[in-house]
Amino acid sequence: GESVGLHLPTLSVQEGDNSIINCAYSNSASDYFIWYKQESGKGPQFIIDIRSNMDKRQGQRVTVLLNKTVKHLSLQIAATQPGDSAVYFCAEALGSGGYQKVTFGIGTKLQVIP
Amino acid sequence: EAQVTQNPRYLITVTGKKLTVTCSQNMNHEYMSWYRQDPGLGLRQIYYSMNVEVTDKGDVPEGYKVSRKEKRNFPLILESPSPNQTSLYFCASSLFPRGYGYTFGSGTRLTVV
Repeated sequence: GESVGLHLPTLSVQEGDNSIINCAYSNSASDYFIWYKQESGKGPQFIIDIRSNMDKRQGQRVTVLLNKTVKHLSLQIAATQPGDSAVYFCAEALGSGGYQKVTFGIGTKLQVIP
Repeated sequence: EAQVTQNPRYLITVTGKKLTVTCSQNMNHEYMSWYRQDPGLGLRQIYYSMNVEVTDKGDVPEGYKVSRKEKRNFPLILESPSPNQTSLYFCASSLFPRGYGYTFGSGTRLTVV
């Protein structure tokens, strides 16, 4: 994963501040959305998901907001820590029968400044 | 520990030499999938499997083969690798094909020279 972070949009945040990572999705019919975190040299890790019938969902230190009107998804990380430094990307899923087509975003690199 | 295990982690090979990347999950997940990750392109799906003996093409299947003979295993086969298949590969699984996030493996960095 070392080269994954190159040429990505980067968000630099001071340790302890809140982070907001944004994502524009493409298909208004998508019914399920997921945020993943990818640390250098590792596989993507599930953070939080939200279904299209919701506009907000909270986890531990993370909140996902969904605005279907403008096809926008955001991930808020409270009290950002150095361990939060990673590439974050959203995914949108469009269900059809028993299958969902998942499209992943390019990602945003979060740099936490100690 | 619940996980998706890929092997090898790193592989350098020559053009045309057949190779297999293994993927195994211990969570009894029905759905498994292979992705490649390239800078600026994000994750692109190669093949997926809804269950044993059920596989289908993703967005970039050319040059790849898969099989799903057992629920836990989903190997990726490159019959004749070419340099444009140099990439970072991830295997992923989920409990069901729809409505669930994925558990990803740690990745296989493949270089074809």
